[in-house]
Amino acid sequence: DAGITQSPRHKVTETGTPVTLRCHQTENHRYMYWYRQDPGHGLRLIHYSYGVKDTDKGEVSDGYSVSRSKTEDFLLTLESATSSQTSVYFCATGTGNYGYTFGSGTRLTVV
Amino acid sequence: QKEVEQDPGPLSVPEGAIVSLNCTYSNSAFQYFMWYRQYSRKGPELLMYTYSSGNKEDGRFTAQVDKSSKYISLFIRDSQPSDSATYLCAMGVNNAGNMLTFGGGTRLMVKP
Repeated sequence: DAGITQSPRHKVTETGTPVTLRCHQTENHRYMYWYRQDPGHGLRLIHYSYGVKDTDKGEVSDGYSVSRSKTEDFLLTLESATSSQTSVYFCATGTGNYGYTFGSGTRLTVV
Repeated sequence: QKEVEQDPGPLSVPEGAIVSLNCTYSNSAFQYFMWYRQYSRKGPELLMYTYSSGNKEDGRFTAQVDKSSKYISLFIRDSQPSDSATYLCAMGVNNAGNMLTFGGGTRLMVKP
């Protein structure tokens, strides 16, 4: 995963606070994705981006927003964190015909 | 019904066994088939990639695609404890703008 860096790797936050997760890629990929992974639910797409300032919602986008002001950075913001957003968050780059490369994940706990 | 179905397991086998992991799907437009391996507390990593039908072999791993049955398989020969991980299948269509569709993953445990 040398081309994708997620930060922070771990975070504990309080309910109601805003949280921003960062994904940084060095491969100049056009497409970037944010997933959450929970036991029993697998990977679920939150938001994705198909270019700078071009983003769209995934299947579980409520409570999340994203921004992409540069090709290399894709930010995921939890506007007001809730306990149901406790999860592991993965960033990925790639396309459906060549496959994705995933970051190492951010483990978020909302207390 | 999910577009891609995968038994969550866990699947427990003794070291040296042949492992068979499977996924079924409903979308006949899928043409790209992949298997990802995910170790605990790590991100998924691409393990096998297959285009259309047929088999692909890489060391101890063989990926099979049967488009007529909408069924894909990953075989692991001479399984090792280091193969213990969650295996996710993923599928895509022939359009760069389309995303991968993932199965829920099968947890495999290979016991020494």
